[in-house]
Amino acid sequence: TQLLEQSPQFLSIQEGENLTVYCNSSSVFSSLQWYRQEPGEGPVLLVTVVTGGEVKKLKRLTFQFGDARKDSSLHITAAQPGDTGLYLCAGQFNDYKLSFGAGTTVTVRA
Amino acid sequence: GAGVSQSPSNKVTEKGKDVELRCDPISGHTALYWYRQSLGQGLEFLIYFQGNSAPDKSGLPSDRFSAERTGGSVSTLTIQRTQQEDSAVYLCASSLAGLVSNEQFFGPGTRLTVL
Repeated sequence: TQLLEQSPQFLSIQEGENLTVYCNSSSVFSSLQWYRQEPGEGPVLLVTVVTGGEVKKLKRLTFQFGDARKDSSLHITAAQPGDTGLYLCAGQFNDYKLSFGAGTTVTVRA
Repeated sequence: GAGVSQSPSNKVTEKGKDVELRCDPISGHTALYWYRQSLGQGLEFLIYFQGNSAPDKSGLPSDRFSAERTGGSVSTLTIQRTQQEDSAVYLCASSLAGLVSNEQFFGPGTRLTVL
């Protein structure tokens, strides 16, 4: 049983469209991280959110942490083929351990 | 720049054999983590090393799994008497220290296939 549920599991969209990936849990986290992983590589950290209600923007990516610090979303505007990859959310309690969701595989078609 | 490196990148073995997977963390990083990523699953925490402290082995799935870290740097994950369910990608990560705020940097992983 995973602490974090990600949805959808797969997402395939056309270049230029928007997409949103969700990460939900019944647990309260001290922080939540989003990673992107490409085939044959390890995950790479995109952002860390720590405050309930926090919104962070990274170019075309917008990350939101829920008010209760149990859920998060990642929104990509005008997706590009380079955004293709596996997006993972990971929650952290007040220690070093990360609890990962199963991931969302995003494919952006040119 | 030197990131986290892992070897081998791929390992195919027969059921019942032992395997060793190696991780070279980023120089100066005192914290080292091993994770397992099975198909369709997120990363599963296996073990954590911080400096000279006793490792946190709470994530190891069975006593067939063990890991050591020599001299506070290189780490080896050993799986004895491999089973088919051990097939997965094994990822290593390192960070400056095992603090909530410290980013974990991941290696490319070792893909283990047990026939």
